[in-house]
Amino acid sequence: DAKTTQPNSMESNEEEPVHLPCNHSTISGTDYIHWYRQLPSQGPEYVIHGLTSNVNNRMASLAIAEDRKSSTLILHRATLRDAAVYYCILRDGSGDYKLSFGAGTTVTVRA
Amino acid sequence: SAVISQKPSRDICQRGTSLTIQCQVDSQVTMMFWYRQQPGQSLTLIATANQGSEATYESGFVIDKFPISRPNLTFSTLTVSNMSPEDSSIYLCSGGKTGLETQYFGPGTRLLVL
Repeated sequence: DAKTTQPNSMESNEEEPVHLPCNHSTISGTDYIHWYRQLPSQGPEYVIHGLTSNVNNRMASLAIAEDRKSSTLILHRATLRDAAVYYCILRDGSGDYKLSFGAGTTVTVRA
Repeated sequence: SAVISQKPSRDICQRGTSLTIQCQVDSQVTMMFWYRQQPGQSLTLIATANQGSEATYESGFVIDKFPISRPNLTFSTLTVSNMSPEDSSIYLCSGGKTGLETQYFGPGTRLLVL
């Protein structure tokens, strides 16, 4: 599996945007970029995914670099409920749907 | 979407015993997976639960230690056999549907082995 690199932790103030970077320099042409998050004492939940174009949904936006070697998850207005570990995962679109979790980024939101 | 439940939610077990964890999905899913999350760590994939056939295990995990069943498209079990304190972890199941990109996770089973 192609690997991703994320910062260990990030802090944000409530109602401010959060930009979470992810480097994936060895990404292949069939790899989708997925983001999941794990709230305290819960299982991971899907946030967003993309292949080449930027993506928006009700939870977040995903900005993908033109060369696809990096991406940024954007939480537009952080709330206390967004405090979680965020995982950037590459998943082979032609493969077996397995997810390989890295260490992720722990996001802390200050009130 | 799919809602996944697990039983038990937590347990405390004695070393040398076995525990079977159940995973129930509220709708049919093509794929089911089992993960382990050791204290303070990320998730590690144990195996893919295949319906009606033997599970596919990841490197470092074996069927004798973690036997898995999946009798239908909505249910799977993971057994942690001959437990030791090193097996103390959170065990999570997940499910997804072919053609959809989202994988859904259960809340996890918190296991403490004394």
